[in-house]
Amino acid sequence: AQSVTQPDIHITVSEGASLELRCNYSYGATPYLFWYVQSPGQGLQLLLKYFSGDTLVQGIKGFEAEFKRSQSSFNLRKPSVHWSDAAEYFCAVGADNQGGKLIFGQGTELSVKP
Amino acid sequence: DTGVSQDPRHKITKRGQNVTFRCDPISEHNRLYWYRQTLGQGPEFLTYFQNEAQLEKSRLLSDRFSAERPKGSFSTLEIQRTEQGDSAMYLCASSLADSPADEQYFGPGTRLTVT
Repeated sequence: AQSVTQPDIHITVSEGASLELRCNYSYGATPYLFWYVQSPGQGLQLLLKYFSGDTLVQGIKGFEAEFKRSQSSFNLRKPSVHWSDAAEYFCAVGADNQGGKLIFGQGTELSVKP
Repeated sequence: DTGVSQDPRHKITKRGQNVTFRCDPISEHNRLYWYRQTLGQGPEFLTYFQNEAQLEKSRLLSDRFSAERPKGSFSTLEIQRTEQGDSAMYLCASSLADSPADEQYFGPGTRLTVT
């Protein structure tokens, strides 16, 4: 069965520091991979997605993620974090035989220190 | 494009009561999804529609839950005989086409509290 693991429940970084949020997935074929961000009181917003091609994908708000098939990972990165990036981040996986539904990880809460 | 809207945003109900939530997707979107999110967890898939057809239901969706999408536009999710374990955020999402690579646009959710 498909699954998504986000090993870090909570991460704190200083403003201006770099960020990497980890995501590991379990799926037999090539998955469709997504990163969403959720701010308090807001709906989930798509940051970026991967489904084929270049394994390094660029997203909104300066985020990028790299698909590594050998490690079953899709880690999210940002070179310099802003205070407004504080939020909950979710990695999700979809597949052709899953009707478009997404399987989400449990999320990583990001706090940003001034 | 006003995005996906959900109503109500908050619902408090007593155990045993029935509740109904509404989701209005982005107007041209064919696919509509329902997810449930409990505290500290990611969203869990409940069900989805392609136009008015309900194509899949998760086993999380017990027989107390029913969802409809009449005429392929808005959708309703009803929970009968609510239990405390039903307390959660109920999220609706829609997408334009039936490719799993298609972006799902999420609404703000309906937070249900069962007392």
